[in-house]
Amino acid sequence: EAGVAQSPRYKIIEKRQSVAFWCNPISGHATLYWYQQILGQGPKLLIQFQNNGVVDDSQLPKDRFSAERLKGVDSTLKIQPAKLEDSAVYLCASSSVTDPRYQETQYFGPGTRLLVL
Amino acid sequence: EDKVVQSPLSLVVHEGDTVTLNCSYEVTNFRSLLWYKQEKKAPTFLFMLTSSGIEKKSGRLSSILDKKELFSILNITATQTGDSAVYLCAVEAYAGGTSYGKLTFGQGTILTVHP
Repeated sequence: EAGVAQSPRYKIIEKRQSVAFWCNPISGHATLYWYQQILGQGPKLLIQFQNNGVVDDSQLPKDRFSAERLKGVDSTLKIQPAKLEDSAVYLCASSSVTDPRYQETQYFGPGTRLLVL
Repeated sequence: EDKVVQSPLSLVVHEGDTVTLNCSYEVTNFRSLLWYKQEKKAPTFLFMLTSSGIEKKSGRLSSILDKKELFSILNITATQTGDSAVYLCAVEAYAGGTSYGKLTFGQGTILTVHP
C-alpha cells in the first residue's frame, strides 16, 4: 500500500511569512496526526484528527498555527506568521484503527523540512 | 505532564558489538510503549509493548518493558552499519475520555556503527 505523502519536502521562508504543508494519509486511515520535530529532539504532537474532527490540539500554538482536514482525508497545516523557532521538520502520520479497544500503530510520512530565516 | 527520557543520547560502536538503549517514562494512563528507528526520513515502527516482561524480537533487535519500574530497553546484537540511526522511544497514553492514543516521544538515541 502507498505510504503517507507529504509536500513540499523542503521549504525556506523568511520570518513573518506564511507557509502551508500538505498531507495525504494512507488510504482508509481515519486518524491523522501532525508533529513538529526540532533538530535534536523527538517529535512533538501538534494536532490529532479523527476523520475531520479534532481530537487533541492542546500543543498547537493557535495564535500562529492552524490545521484542517475538511473531507476527512487530506490535511493542511499552516503557519502565519512564521518565527525563527518554527524551523523544524513537520511530520504527518496516520493510523487505521478507530476502535479504542485496539492498539494503533502510527505510520509516518517523509516530513517537510522548514527553515525560517 | 507526560515525560519520556532516553539514554544514552548518543552511542558509537563497531560492527558486531551489542548495544542496549534505555527508555524511562512517567505517563498518566499508560497504554503502550513504542520504539521507532529514524534515519534521514520518517520514523519507522519497530516494536509496540504493552505487557511487562514479555520480550518482542525481530531479527537482531529485541525489546522488553518493565511497567513496575517504568522503563524499556532496546537491544541490538551483532550491529551493522545499517543500524546507524536515531532510535526513538514513545509512550502512548489514553487521551482523556476518547481513549485515542497520544504519543509522547523521548529525545532519541543517536547510534553510529563504524565498520
